[in-house]
Amino acid sequence: KAGVTQTPRYLIKTRGQQVTLSCSPISGHRSVSWYQQTPGQGLQFLFEYFSETQRNKGNFPGRFSGRQFSNSRSEMNVSTLELGDSALYLCASSPRGRNTGELFFGEGSRLTVL
Amino acid sequence: AQSVTQLGSHVSVSEGALVLLRCNYSSSVPPYLFWYVQYPNQGLQLLLKYTSAATLVKGINGFEAEFKKSETSFHLTKPSAHMSDAAEYFCAVSESGNEKLTFGTGTRLTIIP
Repeated sequence: KAGVTQTPRYLIKTRGQQVTLSCSPISGHRSVSWYQQTPGQGLQFLFEYFSETQRNKGNFPGRFSGRQFSNSRSEMNVSTLELGDSALYLCASSPRGRNTGELFFGEGSRLTVL
Repeated sequence: AQSVTQLGSHVSVSEGALVLLRCNYSSSVPPYLFWYVQYPNQGLQLLLKYTSAATLVKGINGFEAEFKKSETSFHLTKPSAHMSDAAEYFCAVSESGNEKLTFGTGTRLTIIP
């Protein structure tokens, strides 16, 4: 069974640009969550999508957005990039239901903002 | 609000020695508690979880954790450290019914040959 796939793995952007990251969950998993990991703030929850609906949202500005498609694949977008957006963005999928919190993570997309 | 605190950002143990990584939680409701491990340049992998079924939880790779409500703790242990255990370990808490995890700041485990 294929794991969670994130693309691209690495990318470099400049301030003010926007970026879109993609996540393909494990087959059969309908929940996709996104986390930001930085040395200073650690792992922070961005949002969760389930059946194409945002179910939970973390404390991030509106520049951070996401969506989920009917095949459960998800994208997240960051607009007007700032230096502080440099981070590892992790996507995680889960079947949800009784397995609450059992997340399967991808290897992440490492974003560098110059 | 729920939170977890991991004591010790870096822990070093000798190969074959006991591993003890500490985690204390704060939650107003019975928590779901987790330990995740992150190897270099990889995502996180679930080691074990507590969901009130049993206070002593066994996970993968020989790790286990004990839920102690009186101490609000969920410490991770392994009787004998192996070189392959070198990684960063995260304790996390979730409210029942959602996938929003609150992570601790992580503990980097180094194994001394």
